[in-house]
Amino acid sequence: DAGVTQSPTHLIKTRGQQVTLRCSPKSGHDTVSWYQQALGQGPQFIFQYYEEEERQRGNFPDRFSGHQFPNYSSELNVNALLLGDSALYLCASSLVPVYPYEQYFGPGTRLTVT
Amino acid sequence: DQQVKQNSPSLSVQEGRISILNCDYTNSMFDYFLWYKKYPAEGPTFLISISSIKDKNEDGRFTVFLNKSAKHLSLHIVPSQPGDSAVYFCAASSAAGGTSYGKLTFGQGTILTVHP
Repeated sequence: DAGVTQSPTHLIKTRGQQVTLRCSPKSGHDTVSWYQQALGQGPQFIFQYYEEEERQRGNFPDRFSGHQFPNYSSELNVNALLLGDSALYLCASSLVPVYPYEQYFGPGTRLTVT
Repeated sequence: DQQVKQNSPSLSVQEGRISILNCDYTNSMFDYFLWYKKYPAEGPTFLISISSIKDKNEDGRFTVFLNKSAKHLSLHIVPSQPGDSAVYFCAASSAAGGTSYGKLTFGQGTILTVHP
């Protein structure tokens, strides 16, 4: 049973560029959430996708956008990258509405903006 | 506005002893609380959870206590093992407003080191 997978593992981008991160949820899960974890901090909720729609959004600017595909996989897009966007980006999947709180996390994508 | 706080950045205990990790929250709408463990280069792993209708939940060596009046929860690990060394995050969620899609609000984490 495959868990949550994310790609790529690491990424280096330049300020102003755009980046796309990818996530495949755990088998049987239909909801994907994205979190940003800065160094020394806890993960911060970016947004959540269910039934291919953004259902909830955290306090992140519109530069952060996402998409969910019919197979439940998801992408996170960040435009006009800033140095402060350097962080570990975590994807979590869950099964809404049965167990909305039990989220399974992937290993993350480490984004470095130079 | 840090709604979930873990005020101890680190904790060091001896193998076999009890580890107690603490967490405070400010949002009274939170009704479900979780603890996650994170090893380096891995994503957080779900450990144990508790609903606000309970004050204690136990799973093997792990017990979570919830004090709603104090807006405080704690994770007890007994006995502690070297393999428990990791970063521990507490997280909270709310079903308020009719949505229960499980947005998690995390604390900053506590680094637990268990010495052999």
